[in-house]
Amino acid sequence: DAGVTQSPTHLIKTRGQQVTLRCSPISGHKSVSWYQQVLGQGPQFIFQYYEKEERGRGNFPDRFSARQFPNYSSELNVNALLLGDSALYLCASSLGGQGGETQYFGPGTRLLVL
Amino acid sequence: GQQLNQSPQSMFIQEGEDVSMNCTSSSIFNTWLWYKQEPGEGPVLLIALYKAGELTSNGRLTAQFGITRKDSFLNISASIPSDVGIYFCAGQQAGGTSYGKLTFGQGTILTVHP
Repeated sequence: DAGVTQSPTHLIKTRGQQVTLRCSPISGHKSVSWYQQVLGQGPQFIFQYYEKEERGRGNFPDRFSARQFPNYSSELNVNALLLGDSALYLCASSLGGQGGETQYFGPGTRLLVL
Repeated sequence: GQQLNQSPQSMFIQEGEDVSMNCTSSSIFNTWLWYKQEPGEGPVLLIALYKAGELTSNGRLTAQFGITRKDSFLNISASIPSDVGIYFCAGQQAGGTSYGKLTFGQGTILTVHP
């Protein structure tokens, strides 16, 4: 079975632009979480979605938004990009809506903002 | 954002040696997890701990969930070159605005010399 997939793998944008990152969860998983990983640090939680609804949100500005589709795939949108948004964006999937479930990560999308 | 205190930051060891790393937090967690991340990839789950005091093994890896729920350690026995990577601890709380949120440590960079 395929694991969590993310696209694109790499992306270069300039300040002020907008970006959309995509994630497909493991088959049968209904929950998707997004994390930002800056070089040299651990991942930071951005959002969790379950059954198309936001279930959790981290300390990120409103420039960050996400949505989940009926097939449980998800998109992360970042508006008005800043240099500091350069990072590896990770998607993780879990079975369902239970808060303590194990999350499995995809390979990430590496975003560079110039 | 909040991160767990993970130590050591890096380790340089000889093949065959044992390795120990730990994580501490000022907050209580209901679940502790240990992940390994290699360059260009997302974190891969090694061990999940769900109960205070729990000791779990996965091959040469052993991890424990601290009794206070504020700490965890990971041991790797008889290290081999493919153990090279960055090891992250992560804690998960249940419910509230932290729903689905994993809080990560800063990572331990492991280098194994043949």
